Amino acid sequence: QSELTQPPSVSGAPGQRVTISCTGTKSNIGAGFDVHWYQQIPGTAPKLLIYSNNNRPSGVPDRFSGSKSGTSASLTIAGLQTEDEAIYYCHAHDDVVRVVFGGGTKVTVL
Amino acid sequence: EVQLAESGGGLVKPGGSLSLSCAASGFAFSSYNMNWLRQTPTKGLEWVASISSGQNYIYYADSVKGRFTVSRDNARGSLFLQMTSLRSEDSAVYYCARVGGAGRYDSWGQGTQVTVSS
Repeated sequence: QSELTQPPSVSGAPGQRVTISCTGTKSNIGAGFDVHWYQQIPGTAPKLLIYSNNNRPSGVPDRFSGSKSGTSASLTIAGLQTEDEAIYYCHAHDDVVRVVFGGGTKVTVL
Repeated sequence: EVQLAESGGGLVKPGGSLSLSCAASGFAFSSYNMNWLRQTPTKGLEWVASISSGQNYIYYADSVKGRFTVSRDNARGSLFLQMTSLRSEDSAVYYCARVGGAGRYDSWGQGTQVTVSS
């Protein structure tokens, strides 16, 4: 089972803001390790969306943002668009098992 | 352009072996740590193995330790995963991924399906 906890699904109408939470423990997010986020369109490989908590790789729209506090992190999509329908995963280093992922959150655009 | 391309997946019987390869291009392969990851619909994304740029540091998930071996050929820009004593729970799509700063996976291959079944 996943070491980072994400909600299975979130949804919103086009233009709305949605937030995905990622809850960890003192051995990963709470230990100060950076959180990274990936977007996966079904049938394709995950793609880096946010790195080191709140940084966007080149080419990622600025409607995607991330934050981290304590043992949790979150990904926000401001101004949801139909092409944002995908599964989103959080990821961090862990002191015990080295690498942990969240279980993924499916974003549905209503 | 950074490209990673896995190959070698397929159908194998329980207890069998399989070797995966990942061909890298478009970047200085020898300068990057690389990882193998896998994904299933039930267990999601799972880290499998890590290898440092110079092969000095190698780590495995407990679930594969003693059965899988990761290696690389920096001269050829290739990453490998030798899998033995395969179990049904090893069935997954296997990805190779480049490790960037702070451990992020900044490039992924397209994945290769491994199915362990009799």
